[in-house]
Amino acid sequence: AQRVTQPEKLLSVFKGAPVELKCNYSYSGSPELFWYVQYSRQRLQLLLRHISRESIKGFTADLNKGETSFHLKKPFAQEEDSAMYYCALSSRTGANNLFFGTGTRLTVIP
Amino acid sequence: KAGVTQTPRYLIKTRGQQVTLSCSPISGHRSVSWYQQTPGQGLQFLFEYFSETQRNKGNFPGRFSGRQFSNSRSEMNVSTLELGDSALYLCASSDASGADTQYFGPGTRLTVL
Repeated sequence: AQRVTQPEKLLSVFKGAPVELKCNYSYSGSPELFWYVQYSRQRLQLLLRHISRESIKGFTADLNKGETSFHLKKPFAQEEDSAMYYCALSSRTGANNLFFGTGTRLTVIP
Repeated sequence: KAGVTQTPRYLIKTRGQQVTLSCSPISGHRSVSWYQQTPGQGLQFLFEYFSETQRNKGNFPGRFSGRQFSNSRSEMNVSTLELGDSALYLCASSDASGADTQYFGPGTRLTVL
């Protein structure tokens, strides 16, 4: 069975400091991994996905199959990064069923 | 393009009743997925419809059902409501057949009294 774990419910960092949101997963096959973000009073939206290997809003995430991790990182946090972040896994290519972690609320302190 | 819309935005029902929620995907999107969000369980996948066929199903009882119409609009139905069904129900649409970016609606907040 698939499982996504985000160990931190809350994370606070100062503006300009590096930020890392942790995500670990368990899945027997080859997963598709995503980070979704929800800003205050906005809809849940895709931040990035591992297969595109993009950097979005300065965030990057590397899939580490050995450690089964997909941590989200940004070298310099901005106040506008304050939001709820969800790591998600899709069980197989060709399926639009996401398994979400419980989320991490990031607060960037000015 | 207009985003994913969900109606109604808020609902209050009593135990034992049934409810129908509606989701209109982004124009051209053929996949619609439904999720339940609760403080205790977080975001959980309910089911996905693609071209009017249920393609995937999560681990929810048979009281939860859905359908998709030829214009890709989707409805989900919950029968014999229980207090634990109180949640935010989100739908998401995608323009590809799988593992693609999902665009979420604002959700329907269901309260069961």
